[in-house]
Amino acid sequence: GQNIDQPTEMTATEGAIVQINCTYQTSGFNGLFWYQQHAGEAPTFLSYNVLDGLEEKGRFSSFLSRSKGYSYLLLKELQMKDSASYLCAVRSGYSTLTFGKGTMLLVSP
Amino acid sequence: DSGVTQTPKHLITATGQRVTLRCSPRSGDLSVYWYQQSLDQGLQFLIQYYNGEERAKGNILERFSAQQFPDLHSELNLSSLELGDSALYFCASSVSASEQETQYFGPGTRLLVL
Repeated sequence: GQNIDQPTEMTATEGAIVQINCTYQTSGFNGLFWYQQHAGEAPTFLSYNVLDGLEEKGRFSSFLSRSKGYSYLLLKELQMKDSASYLCAVRSGYSTLTFGKGTMLLVSP
Repeated sequence: DSGVTQTPKHLITATGQRVTLRCSPRSGDLSVYWYQQSLDQGLQFLIQYYNGEERAKGNILERFSAQQFPDLHSELNLSSLELGDSALYFCASSVSASEQETQYFGPGTRLLVL
C-alpha cells in the first residue's frame, strides 16, 4: 500500500516564500509529482522528481529525498494567484499515480 | 488548456441511474487515466487504458466500467448510481504508459446524484 501525507492548509503573505512538505511510504517508488489545482479546475503539472535533489522551475522548486521518503515544494515571490491546492503524487510500479489529499494554500495581501 | 477534453461539464441525475462520461486525450497521447475526486477522499485513481487495452486498475467499483476506442477517446460508465458517487471525475492522458510520462488532466465532469 501507499501513504502520502501533506498538511491540510497553509497561509502565507504575498511576496513571501512558502514550503509545502510531503512525506510518503510506498513500495517500488518511481517518481514524485507536484500538481497545482484551483478550486473546481483540473490539476496542472508543476514538477517531477525521480532522483534526489532540487529541481528549479522559475518561482517553483521541488526537492526529493528518497531515503527519507520526503519531498517539498518551494514557492517564491508568492502571488495572489498562487492561492490553490497543491497535490503531491507518487508513482510506483508502472505509471499510475497515488495522490495525497492536497495542501490548500491561501495567499493574503 | 491541457488539450484533454471532457464532456459533459456538469451532470445531474438520480440514484439508480446510469451515465456515461467522455474523454478525448491530447493529440498523440495513447494512454488515458480516469480519476474520481470527492471532498473527503481527494483524487483517487480509477483505471488506465493504453492504446485500447486496460493497463491498470485502481479503486474502481464494480458498478463502474470504462473503455478506450480505436480513435483513442475513452468513456467511463457509471451505473446504479448512489449519492456517494457525486464527485468530480477527471480524465488525464499521457503519450505512453512509460514510467517517465507526465499526465495532463482534462477540465473534469462534475456529477451530482440526487
